[in-house]
Amino acid sequence: EVQVVESGGGLVQPGGSRRLSCAASGLTVSINYINWVRQAPGKGLEWVSVIYNDDTTDYADSVKGRFTIARDNLKNTVYLQMNRLRSDDTAVYFCASGVPLDVWGQGTTVTVSS
Amino acid sequence: IVMTQSPATLSVSPGERATLSCRASQSISSNLAWYQQRPGQAPRLLIYGTSTRATGIPARFSGSGSGTEFTLTISSLQSEDFAVYSCQQYNYWPLTFGGGTKVEIK
Repeated sequence: EVQVVESGGGLVQPGGSRRLSCAASGLTVSINYINWVRQAPGKGLEWVSVIYNDDTTDYADSVKGRFTIARDNLKNTVYLQMNRLRSDDTAVYFCASGVPLDVWGQGTTVTVSS
Repeated sequence: IVMTQSPATLSVSPGERATLSCRASQSISSNLAWYQQRPGQAPRLLIYGTSTRATGIPARFSGSGSGTEFTLTISSLQSEDFAVYSCQQYNYWPLTFGGGTKVEIK
């Protein structure tokens, strides 16, 4: 079965950091586009970041300079390092593969609050 | 690219047809996808390439359009179809989503 599983969410203070993980099975992260998409409470979906199959990366303007996406091919896992977190980063963070986004994880919740 | 969906909420009786609209701020060719999201669940890909159903998606879901105007039609609503539907363009980076249409039971 093809799936991705997110982990790493939790409560973080404003200005803090958190690293999310997206572990894949049944698909190889090194040859797929792997995206992070978030959804703030009661809001729509917002694309956050992508790591392409050639290792290049891209970010939404709202997170550029604060978030970093990377992958570990041996672990078949993609990470999202989130620094300088703000209250408006509070959301469920989904990992999704492909374009369009055809495989989604169940999401992990990040709450930024003091 | 700004994606605008209408209406925000659609009240439909089971068995009736639902028509959802999505507009792009500029042409995105046919690079338009639709996702279904039930409460507490992750989004699920329904349609890509404007009109191609994803694996396992029932034939009652259909997509149409091109350029800047797109439509998702659910021909006969079943109980499991009451959910939020979001369109997304993937012609340009960054990927952008519409705000969603909630299909609720009338």
